[in-house]
Amino acid sequence: KQEVTQIPAALSVPEGENLVLNCSFTDSAIYNLQWFRQDPGKGLTSLLLIQSSQREQTSGRLNASLDKSSGRSTLYIAASQPGDSATYLCAAHNTDKLIFGTGTRLQVFP
Amino acid sequence: DTEVTQTPKHLVMGMTNKKSLKCEQHMGHRAMYWYKQKAKKPPELMFVYSYEKLSINESVPSRFSPECPNSSLLNLHLHALQPEDSALYLCASGPREGNQPQHFGDGTRLSIL
Repeated sequence: KQEVTQIPAALSVPEGENLVLNCSFTDSAIYNLQWFRQDPGKGLTSLLLIQSSQREQTSGRLNASLDKSSGRSTLYIAASQPGDSATYLCAAHNTDKLIFGTGTRLQVFP
Repeated sequence: DTEVTQTPKHLVMGMTNKKSLKCEQHMGHRAMYWYKQKAKKPPELMFVYSYEKLSINESVPSRFSPECPNSSLLNLHLHALQPEDSALYLCASGPREGNQPQHFGDGTRLSIL
């Protein structure tokens, strides 16, 4: 059974810092891995999707990497801004299901 | 703006009420999903529809009844819910079932009195 965990559970940083959020999964037989952002009381916004054959994806200040063999993915946020404050969720696609991680709550203060 | 629209945004109902949650997408997606999310927890899959047919039911209690009238619409009918069913209910869609990116709506915040 796939289990997805995220470290750290919470993170508070000053504006401008570069950040790394970690995601680990137990079953490496994934199709892809998707990173989401969730603002309080809102739905999920898809940030990046990495196919199992890819090693990384980039979108603006965000870069996500995937290492299937070690069961790890990282989300790198460059030059963080207060508007980046949210909960970040990773999710592994296994066959027909998305298995979500426990999330990292990020606060970026001015 | 999200491409998956959920209504209502908020719903308060008693345990004896019958209500429905609605989800709509016009991206031509053929897979649609219902998730339940409790506070400070990740979303948990409830149902998956693929080409308007129910393909996955994650052992959800029968007081939750999904319906997919057409490829753009997904409903979740609610009856005799319990206080522990209070949660954020999220709808998602994808091009087709399986390893395709899912797009989420903003959810319906449900409170059971």
